[in-house]
Amino acid sequence: GENVEQHPSTLSVQEGDSAVIKCTYSDSASNYFPWYKQELGKRPQLIIDIRSNVGEKKDQRIAVTLNKTAKHFSLHITETQPEDSAVYFCAAFPNTGTASKLTFGTGTRLQVTL
Amino acid sequence: SAVISQKPSRDICQRGTSLTIQCQVDSQVTMMFWYRQQPGQSLTLIATANQGSEATYESGFVIDKFPISRPNLTFSTLTVSNMSPEDSSIYLCSVGPLTGKYQETQYFGPGTRLLVL
Repeated sequence: GENVEQHPSTLSVQEGDSAVIKCTYSDSASNYFPWYKQELGKRPQLIIDIRSNVGEKKDQRIAVTLNKTAKHFSLHITETQPEDSAVYFCAAFPNTGTASKLTFGTGTRLQVTL
Repeated sequence: SAVISQKPSRDICQRGTSLTIQCQVDSQVTMMFWYRQQPGQSLTLIATANQGSEATYESGFVIDKFPISRPNLTFSTLTVSNMSPEDSSIYLCSVGPLTGKYQETQYFGPGTRLLVL
């Protein structure tokens, strides 16, 4: 099955700096890669996603890049703000038919300091 | 986007008892899933709730412990049976796809925080 590794487990940046979270996946059949943000005590919320036919996607201060050859994808947050502090999860979805399901990374706790 | 609700939002239960968690969506969805999230941990899929047929369980999860119902395209329940303190966790339902979104995209309910004493 799919295996997703996520790094770093914790990340502290100063307000205004950029943050990068990296994930690798094992199944070459994976073709969909979402990122979720989970604030303390809240549900995971989808913040951006990308399909394998696209190398990069941007939405305001966040962007995701995908390298299919290397089987890794990254979340980039620019001009970080205190409200970006949360746990971020990457996930991969191998399109293998009816048994397909999201596999999540272990999460990255991002702390944006003033 | 869809409104996903879960009941109860939290509960404290005695060991040996069972708790049924409900997940309701305000629009019809093909897929509904149940996850468990231990404190400070990632999301672990328990099972896929299939409408009109038995749920599909992941390795390590069995129907006798986590029976699931999916009577229609907007509602599902997860029961945590014969609970022990190790079942203390957050239980989340997720649904998808939603109109206009990728087929694979999942959206999460607010979760049920369960403490077993």
